[in-house]
Amino acid sequence: DAGITQSPRHKVTETGTPVTLRCHQTENHRYMYWYRQDPGHGLRLIHYSYGVKDTDKGEVSDGYSVSRSKTEDFLLTLESATSSQTSVYFCAISGGDRGPSNQPQHFGDGTRLSIL
Amino acid sequence: SQQGEEDPQALSIQEGENATMNCSYKTSINNLQWYRQNSGRGLVHLILIRSNEREKHSGRLRVTLDTSKKSSSLLITASRAADTASYFCAWGGAAGNKLTFGGGTRVLVKP
Repeated sequence: DAGITQSPRHKVTETGTPVTLRCHQTENHRYMYWYRQDPGHGLRLIHYSYGVKDTDKGEVSDGYSVSRSKTEDFLLTLESATSSQTSVYFCAISGGDRGPSNQPQHFGDGTRLSIL
Repeated sequence: SQQGEEDPQALSIQEGENATMNCSYKTSINNLQWYRQNSGRGLVHLILIRSNEREKHSGRLRVTLDTSKKSSSLLITASRAADTASYFCAWGGAAGNKLTFGGGTRVLVKP
C-alpha cells in the first residue's frame, strides 16, 4: 500500500471552531488531493496540490483552505466548521514526481469528522 | 448527477456468480478508472483504461470502455464473498490530473 497517513482518524467538534486535517505521504508524489465523501454524492474534490505551495480549487472548495509547505504534507483547514461539513474526508496522492498523467490515485483511510 | 452516474446503485449476488456494473460520464476523457472501497476504508485502485483502449483485463476483472457512448462497464467474474464492497468509476479529463467520481455501486456477495 502507498504510504499515506491521515490524522486524526476521527474528530468531533463544535460549530464555529477551526479544524485542521493532515495528510502525510512517504511516496514523494507530486500530486495530493482532498475529497469528501457523503451518502448520495460519491467522492467530491475539495482542493488539490500539484507541488509545494501550488494548490487549486476543486468542486466543493467553499469553506475550506489548504496548505502544502512540504512535499510530504497536505493540510486541509475548515476555518469555522459548520454542520454541513460533517463528512468523511479522504486524502489521495498520485503521479510520482513527474505528474499524474494516466496514473491511479492512492487513498488514505479517511478522517471521520462530526460537527455538532 | 450532473457529470455521470453508475448503475445499479446496489447489487446482490451469490458467490460464484458474475457481477456487472456500469458507469456513464458526460465529458471527454483521458482515462477511466475503477476503484473498490471496503467498509470504513479508503478507495483501492483496481484498473485503469485509457481513452484509446476498448477492453482491459486484470485477474477476474474485465473493463470495457465505449467513448462513443461515454460509458464503461466493470465485470467481476466468479465472485467471492471478499468482493463485497462499493465500486466506483472515476474519469480523468484532458489534463489528467483530476478525477471525477461516480456515485458508486454497492455489491453484496452472499456465501
